[in-house]
Amino acid sequence: DVKVTQSSRYLVKRTGEKVFLECVQDMDHENMFWYRQDPGLGLRLIYFSYDVKMKEKGDIPEGYSVSREKKERFSLILESASTNQTSMYLCASSPPRGPNEQYFGPGTRLTVT
Amino acid sequence: AQKVTQAQTEISVVEKEDVTLDCVYETRDTTYYLFWYKQPPSGELVFLIRRNSFDEQNEISGRYSWNFQKSTSSFNFTITASQVVDSAVYFCALRAGGGADGLTFGKGTHLIIQP
Repeated sequence: DVKVTQSSRYLVKRTGEKVFLECVQDMDHENMFWYRQDPGLGLRLIYFSYDVKMKEKGDIPEGYSVSREKKERFSLILESASTNQTSMYLCASSPPRGPNEQYFGPGTRLTVT
Repeated sequence: AQKVTQAQTEISVVEKEDVTLDCVYETRDTTYYLFWYKQPPSGELVFLIRRNSFDEQNEISGRYSWNFQKSTSSFNFTITASQVVDSAVYFCALRAGGGADGLTFGKGTHLIIQP
C-alpha cells in the first residue's frame, strides 16, 4: 500500500515563526502536492512538484514556499507564519501521468497564535 | 478554469436509508478525470473511485454506486442502505488532462448517519 506520512499531526506556532511541514511518500511517485483544508472551502492546492527540484504554484501559493531535494520528500515552508495560515495541511502523491488518483497523508493541523 | 460544486453542505439520514450526494463540475477540457474521496473523522482522505471523461458507464461497488452523466456534467454518488460507519465528509474532485496538475475539489458534503 502507498504510504504518505506527515511529520506532525498537530503543530502550534507563534506569529512570525518559520514553519516547516514535512511529507514523505514511499511509492517512488514523481508527483507531490500540498493542499490546505478550511471549513466551508474544501481543499485548495498550494503548490505541487512533478520532479526533484521542480515546483509549480497552485491556486493559493501566497505566503508559502516549497522544497523538493529528494524524490520521496516534499516540504512546505511558511516563511513567517500568520494567524490566517491556521489550517489543516494535507500532502498527497501520485504517479507521473494518466488518470491516477492521489494518495493523501493524515494531515497536519497547524495553529498559529 | 475548472470548478466543482457540491451544493449539499450537510445531509442527515437515519441508518438504512438510501442517500445521494450530488456533484456538478465545469471544465473546458475534453479529457478529464473525476474522483470521489471520503474523509472520516480521523481526517485522512480515502480514495473511493475514479472515472474518466470517456467512460460514462455507471459503477456499483457493494452499497456504493456512481452515476456519471456528461450531458448534465454530473457525477453523483449513492449509498444504499446507509450505515453509521458511512458518516464522513465526502469530496468530489476534478482533474483535467493527463499531466501533474492538482485536483480541484468541491467544498464537500458532510454526511451524518443517525442510528
